[in-house]
Amino acid sequence: NAGVMQNPRHLVRRRGQEARLRCSPMKGHSHVYWYRQLPEEGLKFMVYLQKENIIDESGMPKERFSAEFPKEGPSILRIQQVVRGDSAAYFCASSPDFSGANVLTFGAGSRLTVL
Amino acid sequence: KQEVTQIPAALSVPEGENLVLNCSFTDSAIYNLQWFRQDPGKGLTSLLLIQSSQREQTSGRLNASLDKSSGRSTLYIAASQPGDSATYLCAVNEDSSYKLIFGSGTRLLVRP
Repeated sequence: NAGVMQNPRHLVRRRGQEARLRCSPMKGHSHVYWYRQLPEEGLKFMVYLQKENIIDESGMPKERFSAEFPKEGPSILRIQQVVRGDSAAYFCASSPDFSGANVLTFGAGSRLTVL
Repeated sequence: KQEVTQIPAALSVPEGENLVLNCSFTDSAIYNLQWFRQDPGKGLTSLLLIQSSQREQTSGRLNASLDKSSGRSTLYIAASQPGDSATYLCAVNEDSSYKLIFGSGTRLLVRP
């Protein structure tokens, strides 16, 4: 059981480039959640997805950020035209169904650095 | 708006010491509270979950307490070991959903 797999683990981008972060949920899990951890801050909810559906994106910045969870393949968090303030750790979590936060399994995170 | 605060931000103790980590939240209307451990380069590991109706939970050398009325939780670690060195995060869940509201964590270093 590989758990929640995130890649890349570290990503460096220059301002204005695009960043794509991938998340493969735990085997048997069909619900994916993205959280962001800014330096010296706690994790903050961004978006909740099921296969081919965005259920709740209330925590996503309105511009430049998008997320998808296609029928096949991993969930992708996409950040267009990155700025220095996007530098953070992005964590993905998954759950088998809508069981509530107490059954979330978190990945190791992807650390984005914007130069 | 719910806010979660953890004090201290960092803590260094000698091995064997008993210690307490603190977590406070501004709105007492929570569904549950969780303590997580975060190791560098690894994901978050759930340590203890306390439902709003509970006062405490125990797992091995860890004991977490919850006082909803005062908006506080503590994580007690007995007989600390170097392997306990990590960042400890507190998170509240207001409505049994997937949205956890995290504190910024306490970085613990247990010195051999």
